[in-house]
Amino acid sequence: DGGITQSPKYLFRKEGQNVTLSCEQNLNHDAMYWYRQDPGQGLRLIYYSQIVNDFQKGDIAEGYSVSREKKESFPLTVTSAQKNPTAFYLCASSPRTRDIQYFGAGTRLSVL
Amino acid sequence: DQQVKQNSPSLSVQEGRISILNCDYTNSMFDYFLWYKKYPAEGPTFLISISSIKDKNEDGRFTVFLNKSAKHLSLHIVPSQPGDSAVYFCAAVGGTASKLTFGTGTRLQVTL
Repeated sequence: DGGITQSPKYLFRKEGQNVTLSCEQNLNHDAMYWYRQDPGQGLRLIYYSQIVNDFQKGDIAEGYSVSREKKESFPLTVTSAQKNPTAFYLCASSPRTRDIQYFGAGTRLSVL
Repeated sequence: DQQVKQNSPSLSVQEGRISILNCDYTNSMFDYFLWYKKYPAEGPTFLISISSIKDKNEDGRFTVFLNKSAKHLSLHIVPSQPGDSAVYFCAAVGGTASKLTFGTGTRLQVTL
């Protein structure tokens, strides 16, 4: 089945620890995105990538890092510099940046 | 600066009645608009879209209306069903905004 796979579904982070959220797509889309959703809030863009080996900061990039070494993969690292990491993280992809975005099922990150 | 606004955080509608969700935007260069539906702990799913060359697009029970002069779009769901209970996000793209800009969402509850 074509789609976007996020893993893990639940993740716990200890203080001072970096954690990496996985996002893989087999839709052959060029563009990929990471969003954060807090309770009762909308979707806030963290980073996006229009093409392999290129990415841009979104609205709330501080404390996060990404890489785009393969078209299919766009992992997000939540670094220890992100002081409030507890949230629901969503990955999406689209053929181009102005096209319909298709979302994964999300990863819920909590701090121990 | 919130370029896409959903001013009603929540809406409650009886089953079988019409649900009307509203969205306002400020960027006159937006030329493509989308609605997404999101259940808790899941990723948003694309629902319906409309191009700025149209003022109405219909897909089954869902109709989106676009009023460019008022910079306003609305999603009508007729008849509303309990399974429609979810958070609905509008999104827009166009001009120098090369990627989707999301609103903050409206939580729809369809009651029996």
